[in-house]
Amino acid sequence: QSALTQPASVSGSPGQSITISCTGTSSDVGDSNYVSWYQQHPGKAPKLMIYEVSNRPSGVSNRFSGSKSGNTASLTISGLQAEDEADYYCSSYTSSTIRVFGGGTKLTVL
Amino acid sequence: QVQLVQSGTEVKKPGASVKVSCKASGYTFISYGISWVRQAPGQGLEWMGWISAYNGQTSYAQKLQGRVTVTTDTSTSTAYMELRSLRSDDTAVYYCARDDWGSFDYWGQGTLVTVSS
Repeated sequence: QSALTQPASVSGSPGQSITISCTGTSSDVGDSNYVSWYQQHPGKAPKLMIYEVSNRPSGVSNRFSGSKSGNTASLTISGLQAEDEADYYCSSYTSSTIRVFGGGTKLTVL
Repeated sequence: QVQLVQSGTEVKKPGASVKVSCKASGYTFISYGISWVRQAPGQGLEWMGWISAYNGQTSYAQKLQGRVTVTTDTSTSTAYMELRSLRSDDTAVYYCARDDWGSFDYWGQGTLVTVSS
């Protein structure tokens, strides 16, 4: 049950697009349609941004999108805004009912 | 509206146990699972365990197997997480989250557990 691998940090300027990767194995990300992404601002509880690889919950901006290829899932944020600056975590549900998080990525909006 | 309300801050000594509660409202409790997630100071999210509120089935992170137990009381729509043999590195904010096939769509406010002698 190793954590999924995310870059420690990414950055972008307002209006730009960024992509955060989340790499697992054929036992989790590669074998699951249940990959989700969370945004966490300092001192706050995480917020679900993407579920089942590419679906957005009601109320989440369409600037956030998700995809998956093989063992790697990705979160793309387009039209970066200052309020997007936060920590982002991916998570995968595995066939053995185990859940696993990525290590987290700090997004800085320059 | 869906709400998960957790119990308050805990301070425990090494070797003790802690039990955190999570009261759910605004949805049919047995239709979803509950996962517990913790976050040590300055660290990332760590999934601890899951319980089906429908049938009580559980699964746990291998790292915590044997020290953690999650339960539910369907009569009060409340989930519980008990962690035993506490160590200083168990100091963290503990969250409950509604779990829909591994998507955590609603979260509690978090409970700070401090382990210190």
